[in-house]
Amino acid sequence: GAGVSQSPSNKVTEKGKDVELRCDPISGHTALYWYRQSLGQGLEFLIYFQGNSAPDKSGLPSDRFSAERTGGSVSTLTIQRTQQEDSAVYLCASSPRTSGEEQFFGPGTRLTVL
Amino acid sequence: GENVEQHPSTLSVQEGDSAVIKCTYSDSASNYFPWYKQELGKRPQLIIDIRSNVGEKKDQRIAVTLNKTAKHFSLHITETQPEDSAVYFCAAKISNSGYALNFGKGTSLLVTP
Repeated sequence: GAGVSQSPSNKVTEKGKDVELRCDPISGHTALYWYRQSLGQGLEFLIYFQGNSAPDKSGLPSDRFSAERTGGSVSTLTIQRTQQEDSAVYLCASSPRTSGEEQFFGPGTRLTVL
Repeated sequence: GENVEQHPSTLSVQEGDSAVIKCTYSDSASNYFPWYKQELGKRPQLIIDIRSNVGEKKDQRIAVTLNKTAKHFSLHITETQPEDSAVYFCAAKISNSGYALNFGKGTSLLVTP
């Protein structure tokens, strides 16, 4: 079946602009995660959605970052007033489990802030 | 919070040799340890995982071992092939403390023919 998809694949923006990144999880997966991968680094957790529960936002680095998930499916990560240090690959993952196990990743969005 | 250390950062082996990547974690409450393979420009792919109630798990040429006492786990790849070349990430999840994975910084594995 179809895997996790993300759009756009690449995004170049100017410092100070807002950006929106989209994630389409695997159909039927109730859990959805956003991670950030900076050059040469591991993956850094940003936010987690599970069903209709309140999201776990504990990994968001600043209040410029927000995310929502509509209808328990598609999710959008928004970064306001982008800074150069926001440049990274933003990865979305979904899971059929509530335990955090078996997370399947999308291809990511490479964000470059000039 | 949980801290995952991964070694080595780079590893070069000849085709047919074995490769071992090691990770340590800090929180004894961690109970799930997946390994991901990420080829250049592609998404991380889950290749094997192990839960804390198991000491070893094997899937064809790859295996993972877990030592809960020492708080470390390792990925073993036998009979390596050039297509095994990639960055490998270990991760750990803490039970009853959110659902996010804490990742190591990755190991770049190069298998030379």
